[in-house]
Amino acid sequence: ELKVEQNPLFLSMQEGKNYTIYCNYSTTSDRLYWYRQDPGKSLESLFVLLSNGAVKQEGRLMASLDTKARLSTLHITAAVHDLSATYFCAVDSGGSNYKLTFGKGTLLTVNP
Amino acid sequence: GAGVSQSPSNKVTEKGKDVELRCDPISGHTALYWYRQSLGQGLEFLIYFQGNSAPDKSGLPSDRFSAERTGGSVSTLTIQRTQQEDSAVYLCASSPWGGFGPQHFGDGTRLSIL
Repeated sequence: ELKVEQNPLFLSMQEGKNYTIYCNYSTTSDRLYWYRQDPGKSLESLFVLLSNGAVKQEGRLMASLDTKARLSTLHITAAVHDLSATYFCAVDSGGSNYKLTFGKGTLLTVNP
Repeated sequence: GAGVSQSPSNKVTEKGKDVELRCDPISGHTALYWYRQSLGQGLEFLIYFQGNSAPDKSGLPSDRFSAERTGGSVSTLTIQRTQQEDSAVYLCASSPWGGFGPQHFGDGTRLSIL
């Protein structure tokens, strides 16, 4: 059974600071996704990482994937209040079935 | 273009009743997924449809849950004899064939069982 673990689950940080969210998964897969969810809203796709060593950046967020370590990171640079949300990583099962197994999510609060 | 559309957005019903939740995927997307999100269990996969292939029902929690997809487009998730533990947000997602891209999620149906 594929397991996906995120940490931390709760993150409170000040504006302007940097931090990293970690996502570990239990089986071989080279397809990992990061999503953002605002309160009461649905999931918004942030990054799709499809190979070992993949790195994607959008604004103050950068995601990377190390398939050998079964680890992805989401790095936040110079956080701003608008980044406050819950961030999920998800891994698909591989092969021809792309169902996602999600981590529990990281609730990020950026304080002024 | 239009995103994934789900209806109703909210549903409150009494324990023991049947409910139907609808999902209209993005036009041209052949893959359709149902997930549910609850405080206790997080986000869980329920069922996956891909084109005309047999669906993957491995995530359905009991035989009270069923889903169909007509004409390769609209999908309906049915829960029979609802129980309080069925209370959750039910999310539908779609993606183009092949799956090498993000799944696009609808806004969900918030289901509350009294």
